[in-house]
Amino acid sequence: GQQLNQSPQSMFIQEGEDVSMNCTSSSIFNTWLWYKQDPGEGPVLLIALYKAGELTSNGRLTAQFGITRKDSFLNISASIPSDVGIYFCAGENPLNTGNQFYFGTGTSLTVIP
Amino acid sequence: DSGVTQTPKHLITATGQRVTLRCSPRSGDLSVYWYQQSLDQGLQFLIQYYNGEERAKGNILERFSAQQFPDLHSELNLSSLELGDSALYFCASRSGSTDTQYFGPGTRLTVL
Repeated sequence: GQQLNQSPQSMFIQEGEDVSMNCTSSSIFNTWLWYKQDPGEGPVLLIALYKAGELTSNGRLTAQFGITRKDSFLNISASIPSDVGIYFCAGENPLNTGNQFYFGTGTSLTVIP
Repeated sequence: DSGVTQTPKHLITATGQRVTLRCSPRSGDLSVYWYQQSLDQGLQFLIQYYNGEERAKGNILERFSAQQFPDLHSELNLSSLELGDSALYFCASRSGSTDTQYFGPGTRLTVL
């Protein structure tokens, strides 16, 4: 199956710092999604990307669809305590994955006040 | 609120038992996905239905089965439960207009 490598696995940062995380795939995707999950809750969709090179923002969050279509990046600017959680990337390419989304292993973010 | 509903929120049962988890997708979404998330693990895709038909299958055990009904709600049936089946089970519905998935709040299953 598809392999999605997400890094870093965990991050500990000071409040106010910027955060970067990324996902790489072994194959090309047509869609990249980024989610945030709080403990015991369902993942919440943050940003959706549909085109190579696309850069999309949602408040302090910015995500990019890599030019190679095999990677995606999520940046969080000026982190705040409520940014704490696990961030997942997900990718899909109907031509080789059917309608299935593949998920990264997650990046656990801790923000120190 | 994603618009996806799941019941029950919590379920505690014993080994060997059978349970049914229920999911209602967002209004207008035809596709439902089921995922399992064990403690501190990622999301494992189990199965997908589209408009009542099975569309894709992941690492779903033979003891597990699912179906999607004409009103588009879906049920995941877990039988002969084992301790290792304790996990969060999520349902997600897919928006056909935006090609995105929206997750429900999950069902926490505890097998004792």
